[in-house]
Amino acid sequence: GDSVTQTEGPVTVSESESLIINCTYSATSIAYPNLFWYVRYPGEGLQLLLKVITAGQKGSSRGFEATYNKETTSFHLQKASVQESDSAVYYCALGDGNNRIFFGDGTQLVVKP
Amino acid sequence: GPKVLQIPSHQIIDMGQMVTLNCDPVSNHLYFYWYKQILGQQMEFLVNFYNGKVMEKSKLFKDQFSVERPDGSYFTLKIQPTALEDSAVYFCASSLANSDYTFGSGTRLLVI
Repeated sequence: GDSVTQTEGPVTVSESESLIINCTYSATSIAYPNLFWYVRYPGEGLQLLLKVITAGQKGSSRGFEATYNKETTSFHLQKASVQESDSAVYYCALGDGNNRIFFGDGTQLVVKP
Repeated sequence: GPKVLQIPSHQIIDMGQMVTLNCDPVSNHLYFYWYKQILGQQMEFLVNFYNGKVMEKSKLFKDQFSVERPDGSYFTLKIQPTALEDSAVYFCASSLANSDYTFGSGTRLLVI
């Protein structure tokens, strides 16, 4: 079945350092799934951070970016310089085109001042 | 931006009782979903709903579960009767198509 695997948290980085949270996916029901990164800030609901629906394309939002790599079936999340306000739980997710989303386990990011 | 509201945010209920979780989706959205997240585990798809009907459900969507959205009001998830293993956070989502989902903050259900 379809699934997503991402970096196990917590991930702790210092402010202004770079970040990468790995995500790989397995899609058996669809050749080109939609790929998403969602974020949950403390005390808030799940928010869409970025999405990419075309293989080879890059999505970006709030300084984060992720590239849809079909060859390596990856969708790693990167940011060049994190801020303390980026502390949250990040979820990589796959949409199967049939109105279902498969989530990874989530990666808690802790940014130290 | 537009939000999905979930009511209540927390619910404690005795095992065997009925519970209804309410979701107020984004007003022009057409597809509605429920996801379940047990503490420490992944969020998992339960069911999606379109045009007044369940389109697809996972094996987690037990016979004790039902969903409806009467006359454009709340999209509800009803569990009757509840079991201890139903304790989880339940997330509602809505979308216009299949790539723009808006999630609610979740209802934390504790069955005791």
